[in-house]
Amino acid sequence: GAGVSQTPSNKVTEKGKYVELRCDPISGHTALYWYRQSLGQGPEFLIYFQGTGAADDSGLPNDRFFAVRPEGSVSTLKIQRTERGDSAVYLCASSQGGQGNTGELFFGEGSRLTVL
Amino acid sequence: LAKTTQPISMDSYEGQEVNITCSHNNIATNDYITWYQQFPSQGPRFIIQGYKTKVTNEVASLFIPADRKSSTLSLPRVSLSDTAVYYCLVGAMDSSYKLIFGSGTRLLVRP
Repeated sequence: GAGVSQTPSNKVTEKGKYVELRCDPISGHTALYWYRQSLGQGPEFLIYFQGTGAADDSGLPNDRFFAVRPEGSVSTLKIQRTERGDSAVYLCASSQGGQGNTGELFFGEGSRLTVL
Repeated sequence: LAKTTQPISMDSYEGQEVNITCSHNNIATNDYITWYQQFPSQGPRFIIQGYKTKVTNEVASLFIPADRKSSTLSLPRVSLSDTAVYYCLVGAMDSSYKLIFGSGTRLLVRP
């Protein structure tokens, strides 16, 4: 597709379980971002990739959260030992990045995670 | 990254012009001002971006005074479909461009 694709759109899990959320960015976009959005709040930055490397992971809340982008395209956000407080919509965005950066991020529709 | 302050909510009626003002007193020389729109159950969508003076596109206008400590997003003749949350962000448009969102302004357009 032409836009950022995120799967699953909805995920319900139990406390303590492991979860993976996938993001397929716009083809050719070198920059990829993960955000988390709780109800009534703006998106909260988690991590930024430029190519395959995590250029800025300062927003990851703790070591239960980890993200990879092994081939510089698809990214997976991994959450270990989920807690009820992890319940939120996880948004992925991509942009041209680098010298072609226009500052416009293209967001997916998000993955809604519910931890019971 | 510069912090922004904007009204929590605004109400308007169809056909009116809506102006949402954002304060960013500690904006840096390299920072741009960007506005995003977000509908329920969707990711934010880019509306407009500017550095100084005025920028206009098919959706909105962005007014930035000379001191750049504030900016105003202007939506002409709003419709019900403009009901959304609007975010004002500032940041340097370099290779590590990272957007920091605040809580946004919740705009409700009434018939």
